[in-house]
Amino acid sequence: KAGVTQTPRYLIKTRGQQVTLSCSPISGHRSVSWYQQTPGQGLQFLFEYFSETQRNKGNFPGRFSGRQFSNSRSEMNVSTLELGDSALYLCASSLAGGGRARADRQGAYEQYFGPGTRLTVT
Amino acid sequence: GQQLNQSPQSMFIQEGEDVSMNCTSSSIFNTWLWYKQDPGEGPVLLIALYKAGELTSNGRLTAQFGTTRKDSFLNISASIPSDVGIYFCAGQPNTGTASKLTFGTGTRLQVTL
Repeated sequence: KAGVTQTPRYLIKTRGQQVTLSCSPISGHRSVSWYQQTPGQGLQFLFEYFSETQRNKGNFPGRFSGRQFSNSRSEMNVSTLELGDSALYLCASSLAGGGRARADRQGAYEQYFGPGTRLTVT
Repeated sequence: GQQLNQSPQSMFIQEGEDVSMNCTSSSIFNTWLWYKQDPGEGPVLLIALYKAGELTSNGRLTAQFGTTRKDSFLNISASIPSDVGIYFCAGQPNTGTASKLTFGTGTRLQVTL
């Protein structure tokens, strides 16, 4: 079974621009979560999508947004880029998700990560 | 954002030695996960723990879910060079917010021959 894939792997943007990152979950997984990883703050949760709806959200400004499609693929968008947005953006997929999802099977909520997109803002 | 306290921050050990690291939190978690991250890659899930006191192994790796549900431990026996990387613990709250993993600060492991 193929793992989580993310595109592009590397991206360079300038301040003020916007960017869209893509994530394809493991086949059969319906939940996609996004994380930002920086040397200073470590891994921080951005948001989670399940069944095309945002279920959980972290403490990031509104410039960070996302969406999920009917095939569970997800995109993340960052508008008006700032230098501090330079980071590794990781997505993770799991069988079940937060909110309304109910899954008794152990491991249904285990998250599997993609290789990440390295975003550099200049 | 919140990060769990993970120690040690880094370790420099010789091949064949055993390694221990731990992770502590001020909050209770329902599930503890341990990941390993190589440079330029995403974290890879190593072990998942679901019950307080649970001890789970995956090859040379053994992890424990602390009895207070506020801590977890990871041991690596007989380390080899490919164990090099950064190890992260992650706490997962209840199923309603299961996606909101809170990660530890990481333990960087370096192994010499």
